[in-house]
Amino acid sequence: AIQMTQSPSSLSASVGDRVTITCRASQGIRNELGWYQQKPGKAPKLLIYAASSLQSGVPSRFSGSGSGTDFTLTISSLQPEDFASYYCLQDYNYPRTFGQGTKVEIK
Amino acid sequence: EVQLVESGGGLVQPGESLRLSCAASGFAFTTYWMTWVRQAPGKGLEWVANIKQDGSEKFYVDSVRGRFTISRDNARNSLYLQVNSLRAEDTAVYYCARDLSGEHGRVWYDVLDIWGQGTMVTVSS
Repeated sequence: AIQMTQSPSSLSASVGDRVTITCRASQGIRNELGWYQQKPGKAPKLLIYAASSLQSGVPSRFSGSGSGTDFTLTISSLQPEDFASYYCLQDYNYPRTFGQGTKVEIK
Repeated sequence: EVQLVESGGGLVQPGESLRLSCAASGFAFTTYWMTWVRQAPGKGLEWVANIKQDGSEKFYVDSVRGRFTISRDNARNSLYLQVNSLRAEDTAVYYCARDLSGEHGRVWYDVLDIWGQGTMVTVSS
């Protein structure tokens, strides 16, 4: 199974900060990666697909980049509603695998 | 409204079984792959299994293969997960999700765009 390694596992940031989360695959996965946001007690929500395409309805402050093994989720200006956990998920092959998650907390 | 609603979770003893259900509404269920994802308390997300539109293809994570069976009833717009020989480490919220796949700028994608609210399975003696 492909291992997805996310970093950092947690971070503290302030409203307005630029935040970057990375995800590294144990082998090349082309651009076949999505990013999800999860708030406590809620189901995950799709943010980004195909590594860099913004899902409909998601604010443009979210962006994704990367291909092959290294990927990045960027929040350009953190908003109060963005404090949550974020996960990458590879859809290159089976079994699908998630990164271990990044918790974004208020500084 | 596009919606997925899970049910069937509960408290069971090790070795016992459950059948989880996911009722879909508001979209053409028969045209989508469907997926189960789980999340142990305080832990991250784990992809569990998925199933093709007509049920002819199924994929599982290694930790559940042979114990869990994914199925669907397209006439009832329903997805199922039969979970047998349950272990303490299967304790989790189980989510069903819709697989959205396609091509964007010559890049293939297969993502989980609609999720249910989850059903809790607790395995404890």
